[in-house]
Amino acid sequence: DAGVIQSPRHEVTEMGQEVTLRCKPISGHNSLFWYRQTMMRGLELLIYFNNNVPIDDSGMPEDRFSAKMPNASFSTLKIQPSEPRDSAVYFCASSLPPSGVVFFGPGTRLTVL
Amino acid sequence: TQLLEQSPQFLSIQEGENLTVYCNSSSVFSSLQWYRQEPGEGPVLLVTVVTGGEVKKLKRLTFQFGDARKDSSLHITAAQPGDTGLYLCAGDSTGGSYIPTFGRGTSLIVHP
Repeated sequence: DAGVIQSPRHEVTEMGQEVTLRCKPISGHNSLFWYRQTMMRGLELLIYFNNNVPIDDSGMPEDRFSAKMPNASFSTLKIQPSEPRDSAVYFCASSLPPSGVVFFGPGTRLTVL
Repeated sequence: TQLLEQSPQFLSIQEGENLTVYCNSSSVFSSLQWYRQEPGEGPVLLVTVVTGGEVKKLKRLTFQFGDARKDSSLHITAAQPGDTGLYLCAGDSTGGSYIPTFGRGTSLIVHP
């Protein structure tokens, strides 16, 4: 298995631009998570999907952030418009409950200038 | 929101030394996990503990879950440069869905 796949690995954009991060979870996993990691705040859960349905989006910072999971093999996290404070590493992760094992992708390093 | 406090935040030691890092919370967790994250990569699961007082060993790493299931420790014996990384603990209180909440981690550097 290829593991969780994220693209792009690095993204540099200017303030105000739209950013779309992509994720392909491990085949067969029905839970998907988006996390954001910064030095100041550590690893924060943004949103959690189960069977393609958003279950908990309380971690999404504001309306500029949106996430979708149109099918079991693909998810996107969109930021529009982006701001410098959105600069962070964004991780997608997937799991198959109740195993309790969460597999992380390699992350997307986002820099907003 | 359950808060997991990890200490120390940073640790820099020489190869061969022993060390212990801690993960504490005021909340009870149904399970607790330890992950290691290397630069440029996502966290990788090391171990899951579920029973109060449980001790698990993974080669030179020893993990312990507190009796009250509110805290955990990770002890590394004879640290090696390959142990360098960010050690994260994550707890779940949902008892089924497993939605991990992470501490901020302990950044470990082991010098040769």
